[in-house]
Amino acid sequence: AQRVTQPEKLLSVFKGAPVELKCNYSYSGSPELFWYVQYSRQRLQLLLRHISRESIKGFTADLNKGETSFHLKKPFAQEEDSAMYYCALMDTGRRALTFGSGTRLQVQP
Amino acid sequence: ETGVTQTPRHLVMGMTNKKSLKCEQHLGHNAMYWYKQSAKKPLELMFVYNFKEQTENNSVPSRFSPECPNSSHLFLHLHTLQPEDSALYLCASSQGAGTSVADTQYFGPGTRLTVL
Repeated sequence: AQRVTQPEKLLSVFKGAPVELKCNYSYSGSPELFWYVQYSRQRLQLLLRHISRESIKGFTADLNKGETSFHLKKPFAQEEDSAMYYCALMDTGRRALTFGSGTRLQVQP
Repeated sequence: ETGVTQTPRHLVMGMTNKKSLKCEQHLGHNAMYWYKQSAKKPLELMFVYNFKEQTENNSVPSRFSPECPNSSHLFLHLHTLQPEDSALYLCASSQGAGTSVADTQYFGPGTRLTVL
């Protein structure tokens, strides 16, 4: 069965510090991975997906199949990055997303 | 309103009540989803509909009954729920079958359900 693990419930950094939110997955097929973000009092929204190889709001994520990881990184954190971040894996056969438990990022001034 | 809307935003019900959650998407999508977000568990997929056909039931108890009358509307009918069913219920939509398998899901704001 597929699984997504986000080992950190809370990550607290200072403004300007680098950020890395960890995500590991288990999946027998070729994975489609996403990062979703939920800012305070806002709905869950897509941040980025690995297939697009994009950088959104300064965040990037690289799929490492050898380590089965999809860590989210940003070189310099900003206060407005404070939010809940969820890593998600799509089962392409079922079109179903499996989410990790989420990591709360706090960026302190 | 644009995007995905859900009503009501908050619902309190007794275990013997019958209620329904409504989701509407204004994005022209063909797939709709129900997810459950509990305090102690990750977001869990409940149901998937593609072109009004149910394509996924993730072992959800029968006290939850989905209905998808058209591609824009999705309901979740609730009957004789248990207190442990209290959670945030999220609806999402995406382009659906025939598009890229990694098509993006857009989420509604959720309905906060409390079962007494």
